[in-house]
Amino acid sequence: AQSVTQPDIHITVSEGASLELRCNYSYGATPYLFWYVQSPGQGLQLLLKYFSGDTLVQGIKGFEAEFKRSQSSFNLRKPSVHWSDAAEYFCAVGVESSASKIIFGSGTRLSIRP
Amino acid sequence: DTGVSQNPRHKITKRGQNVTFRCDPISEHNRLYWYRQTLGQGPEFLTYFQNEAQLEKSRLLSDRFSAERPKGSFSTLEIQRTEQGDSAMYLCASSPGDTQYFGPGTRLTVL
Repeated sequence: AQSVTQPDIHITVSEGASLELRCNYSYGATPYLFWYVQSPGQGLQLLLKYFSGDTLVQGIKGFEAEFKRSQSSFNLRKPSVHWSDAAEYFCAVGVESSASKIIFGSGTRLSIRP
Repeated sequence: DTGVSQNPRHKITKRGQNVTFRCDPISEHNRLYWYRQTLGQGPEFLTYFQNEAQLEKSRLLSDRFSAERPKGSFSTLEIQRTEQGDSAMYLCASSPGDTQYFGPGTRLTVL
């Protein structure tokens, strides 16, 4: 069955430090991969997506993610975090050829240390 | 604002009552999705429409839940005889194809 694992429930980093959020997926075919961010009381905002092509994907707010097929991973990175990046981050995989259904991970809560 | 909108944003109800939520998708998006999100979890897929046709329903969608998209534009999600376990955030998303854009959600509290 398709699944997404985000092994880190909660991460705290210092403002200005680099960030990497881990995501592993299980899916038999070529996946459609997404990262969404959710701030308290807000809906989900798309950060970036990977469908095909270059395995390093650039997104909004200075985020990037790298698709590694051999590791079934799609980790999210940012070189220098800002206090406004504190939020819940969700990795997701589209399980149909046109991503008609998305399976989400359980999320990683990011806190920023001043 | 041309994003996905959901109403109401918050709903408090007593167990056994019926509730209905509305989702207005981004204009001309032919796909519309409903998800449920409980505290500390990622959203879980409930159902999916392409235009007015409901193409898939999750087994999470019990007989007490019904969703409609009568004219292929807005959608409603109704929960009958609410239970405390129905308390959650209900998210709507729309898509023109392969990327889903989410609304702010409706938070349901069943007392």
